[in-house]
Amino acid sequence: DTGVSQDPRHKITKRGQNVTFRCDPISEHNRLYWYRQTLGQGPEFLTYFQNEAQLEKSRLLSDRFSAERPKGSFSTLEIQRTEQGDSAMYLCASSPTSSRGIEQYFGPGTRLTVT
Amino acid sequence: AQSVTQLDSHVSVSEGTPVLLRCNYSSSYSPSLFWYVQHPNKGLQLLLKYTSAATLVKGINGFEAEFKKSETSFHLTKPSAHMSDAAEYFCVVSGRANRGSTLGRLYFGRGTQLTVWP
Repeated sequence: DTGVSQDPRHKITKRGQNVTFRCDPISEHNRLYWYRQTLGQGPEFLTYFQNEAQLEKSRLLSDRFSAERPKGSFSTLEIQRTEQGDSAMYLCASSPTSSRGIEQYFGPGTRLTVT
Repeated sequence: AQSVTQLDSHVSVSEGTPVLLRCNYSSSYSPSLFWYVQHPNKGLQLLLKYTSAATLVKGINGFEAEFKKSETSFHLTKPSAHMSDAAEYFCVVSGRANRGSTLGRLYFGRGTQLTVWP
């Protein structure tokens, strides 16, 4: 068990460019979550997958954001036409399917800076 | 709806003295509650969780928390602070997922920055 990994760890981009982040969950965890954390705030939920199905999306996930998990394993989060307000830490988490109360395991995050 | 309020944005203690980080929650059903810790440049790590079993929950590194339904609180404590405890702490409540499944999104508080003085 190598934990949740995310790539890249840091990304600097210019406003208007597209960026894509990758998350590899803990193997055999069929639930995968994306969160966004801005400075001085707690993480905020973006979206969640069970296997390849995207089951819930936050209103924070505007039309410029899209997430996929095509084979139920790794996931990608794409932001199109980035804006300065997109600068944040993007966190991925995974958990197994089980009864309520099982914790989510977080990756180290991808820090996005939009200049 | 679920929400969490962390009552202190910053807490400072001296090494060896007790730690108290306060958290109140709001939930429309019996919640699952967690405390996570975030050290600089590191990922979120689970300290402890409450899932409707014992109301006093013990976690890693000597931390514990008590679930008090009547007060809707889940305060985090440690008898004796260590320098390595300096970090950001998040109180978290779980939501329900769609389509009848159980665990869904997590709702985080704004965090409490713990400073430990030598």
